Amino acid sequence: AQSVTQLGSHVSVSEGALVLLRCNYSSSVPPYLFWYVQYPNQGLQLLLKYTSAATLVKGINDFEAEFKKSETSFHLTKPSAHMSDAAEYFCAVSDRAGGTSYGKLTFGQGTILTVHP
Amino acid sequence: SQTIHQWPATLVQPVGSPLSLECTVEGTSNPNLYWYRQAAGRGLQLLFYSVGIGQISSEVPQNLSASRPQDRQFILSSKKLLLSDSGFYLCAWGVGGETQYFGPGTRLLVL
Repeated sequence: AQSVTQLGSHVSVSEGALVLLRCNYSSSVPPYLFWYVQYPNQGLQLLLKYTSAATLVKGINDFEAEFKKSETSFHLTKPSAHMSDAAEYFCAVSDRAGGTSYGKLTFGQGTILTVHP
Repeated sequence: SQTIHQWPATLVQPVGSPLSLECTVEGTSNPNLYWYRQAAGRGLQLLFYSVGIGQISSEVPQNLSASRPQDRQFILSSKKLLLSDSGFYLCAWGVGGETQYFGPGTRLLVL
């Protein structure tokens, strides 16, 4: 069974400040991990993904995340927040186990990021 | 490139009425297809997934059903809507059990 915990349902930062959104996962197999962003009344857009290659993953809009197996974490960061980053962010883990995997994603509860001037 | 469409974008339906939401994917063959529901304060819940035409797996027992009549078409249905069916419905596609790509969603309000 898989699970994802996003610490903090709301995060608020100033424009230009560091963004840190926390995600911890539980998985019985080596995981695939994802971060998605959702703007109001829109679908989810893929920010970045970890699929067992480099542990530091770079995504769109200067976001990056680091896979830390020892800490079962996959935190999302961005060096300098922009007003357009205000959205809800979801961390997800995939059950990619073997040939029977259908790539079912388990999502965290989401973190709403607010960016103030 | 691949694109995913969902319609309608918004729907208001009375309790007890039927439902049909449609999702189509372009630019790929034999994708895995998924239906999710996003209800206020409850995150994203996987409802159904399909690995091929006519193959549907249900994740959560409920008032809804899904069908896949064509390779790139996925339909979510109900015979009688409940108030609790209100939410934001998202369709997604993926290949090879890895990344999923989401459609724009359908906002359903049951009154």
